[in-house]
Amino acid sequence: DGGITQSPKYLFRKEGQNVTLSCEQNLNHDAMYWYRQDPGQGLRLIYYSQIVNDFQKGDIAEGYSVSREKKESFPLTVTSAQKNPTAFYLCASRPGAGTGELFFGEGSRLTVL
Amino acid sequence: AQSVTQPDIHITVSEGASLELRCNYSYGATPYLFWYVQSPGQGLQLLLKYFSGDTLVQGIKGFEAEFKRSQSSFNLRKPSVHWSDAAEYFCALTGANNLFFGTGTRLTVIP
Repeated sequence: DGGITQSPKYLFRKEGQNVTLSCEQNLNHDAMYWYRQDPGQGLRLIYYSQIVNDFQKGDIAEGYSVSREKKESFPLTVTSAQKNPTAFYLCASRPGAGTGELFFGEGSRLTVL
Repeated sequence: AQSVTQPDIHITVSEGASLELRCNYSYGATPYLFWYVQSPGQGLQLLLKYFSGDTLVQGIKGFEAEFKRSQSSFNLRKPSVHWSDAAEYFCALTGANNLFFGTGTRLTVIP
């Protein structure tokens, strides 16, 4: 079945450590997105990519980094510079930028100890 | 600037009762609008979408929504709520490069 796979589902990290969240899609979508979700704040855009080897900052990119070396993959690194990284992270994709709905993965919950 | 407002943070309804979740948007052109549902610890699932045409759109799980341009609204409705509808609901609006989401409405269903 086509879809978006995020891993790991749960991740614990010590302060000062970088961590990378994986996002893989087999929907042949060009555009991919990372959102952060905190209670009562909805979804906030971290980074997005409309095509391979290109990505753009979203509203809350500070302390995060991404890469898009393959169409299928859009990993997110939460760096030690992110002041409050404990959150639920959602990856999404859609066929192209500006076209239609987003398809979401199941999310990754990061907890900083 | 684009924005989405969901005025109700939390709604409680009895099982079998009708439901309406409110969504207001701000957008300069004809909007593309969506409703998503999220169960705890899960991703978001699309319930329905409006692009153009008939202003009353049908979705999955018995949900429908009505686009009202004059009121800048896209409210979600269901005639009879089931216990399994308890979840968080998000209204979203498409922009040039991504979707803008409201802050969500949490639905509690009581027996």
